[in-house]
Amino acid sequence: EAGVAQSPRYKIIEKRQSVAFWCNPISGHATLYWYQQILGQGPKLLIQFQNNGVVDDSQLPKDRFSAERLKGVDSTLKIQPAKLEDSAVYLCASSRPSRVGYTFGSGTRLTVV
Amino acid sequence: SQELEQSPQSLIVQEGKNLTINCTSSKTLYGLYWYKQKYGEGLIFLMMLQKGGEEKSHEKITAKLDEKKQQSSLHITASQPSHAGIYLCGADRTGTASKLTFGTGTRLQVTL
Repeated sequence: EAGVAQSPRYKIIEKRQSVAFWCNPISGHATLYWYQQILGQGPKLLIQFQNNGVVDDSQLPKDRFSAERLKGVDSTLKIQPAKLEDSAVYLCASSRPSRVGYTFGSGTRLTVV
Repeated sequence: SQELEQSPQSLIVQEGKNLTINCTSSKTLYGLYWYKQKYGEGLIFLMMLQKGGEEKSHEKITAKLDEKKQQSSLHITASQPSHAGIYLCGADRTGTASKLTFGTGTRLQVTL
């Protein structure tokens, strides 16, 4: 079974620029998550999708962050405009409706300078 | 304060030594997940615990969930360099295995 694919692996941008990350979950996984992990901290949930609908986006800074999963498969997370404090690893994860944990992608490391 | 506290924050052990990492929740858990993360990479699922008193083992790693389901420990026996990384516990507070809340992690280094 192929894992969760994320791209790009690394991105360096200047503040106030925009950036987009892509995630392709494991085939058949209806639930998709985006997490933000700042250096030295645990991952923090940004948004949860069930198929193409948003389940929870309470911690997503909606003034600058947006995410979509239009066809219920792959997803895009966008930041516009980026701030220095957005520097982090952005992790995508997917799961089936069961209790065996998520499968995480390798993440995208964003550096805002 | 953190809802999920991990201790220690970092740990350096000599190869072959045993070690324990703790994860304490301020609230009762439906489930507790352990993940391992190599620097700059994604999280690898290790184990999931659901029942109070439950204990699971995989190779040289054993995880336990206490009876009250508010504390878990991860024990590594005879540590190896391959065990180095960041260990994260994740809490399921809803009973649906979704929206895990993670601790801040324990960074483990294994010296030769």
